Amino acid sequence: QVQLKESGPGLVKPSETLSLTCTVSGFSLTSYHVSWVRQPPGKGLEWMGVIWGDGSTAYNSALKSRLSISRDTSKSQVFLKMSSLKTEDTATYYCASAFAYWGQGTLVTVSS
Amino acid sequence: DVQMTQSPSNLAASPGESVSINCKASKSISKYLAWYQQKPGKANKLLIYSGSTLQSGTPSRFSGSGSGTDFTLTIRNLEPEDFGLYYCQQHNEYPWTFGGGTKLELK
Repeated sequence: QVQLKESGPGLVKPSETLSLTCTVSGFSLTSYHVSWVRQPPGKGLEWMGVIWGDGSTAYNSALKSRLSISRDTSKSQVFLKMSSLKTEDTATYYCASAFAYWGQGTLVTVSS
Repeated sequence: DVQMTQSPSNLAASPGESVSINCKASKSISKYLAWYQQKPGKANKLLIYSGSTLQSGTPSRFSGSGSGTDFTLTIRNLEPEDFGLYYCQQHNEYPWTFGGGTKLELK
């Protein structure tokens, strides 16, 4: 069945770069788009960006200057890199396939 | 960016009742509106997409309606497992944006 799992550091310092991995199974990354979505504690969902089946990407303009999404189809992995982290980037980060399947999310805390 | 305004923010109801959650877009998004359910410890669940199309596995007591700027999620004959958070999301133009959420609580 379709599964997505986010992984990465739970704690990152301000000004550093966050690197997260979404490992998928049950489908091909060349067939469905994968988005990253985040949710600050106690707040709502924010779409960050997407990588389509053809490898093209689109980003939330509010994050575009700091955000990069890429993938390795041979490993069934999608990557998120976000630079210049701030405390307000503390959130649970989710990856989602065509929004029909979501990972459980990974909490990232930005703190010194 | 398209702003999505959900109402109400909180809703209390009892099992067996029917409830409606509204979502208003700041500009027309055609039919491209999705609804999600969020519950602690569970993956977010896509309920409805393109305004009114039920995702596979969504119970028929859920329905979606609307187009343009105004959309509604209706849940008929509430079951205990329906209580949680609900979000709308437009997928008509970038950036895809979510509503602020509606917390459906047990009365």
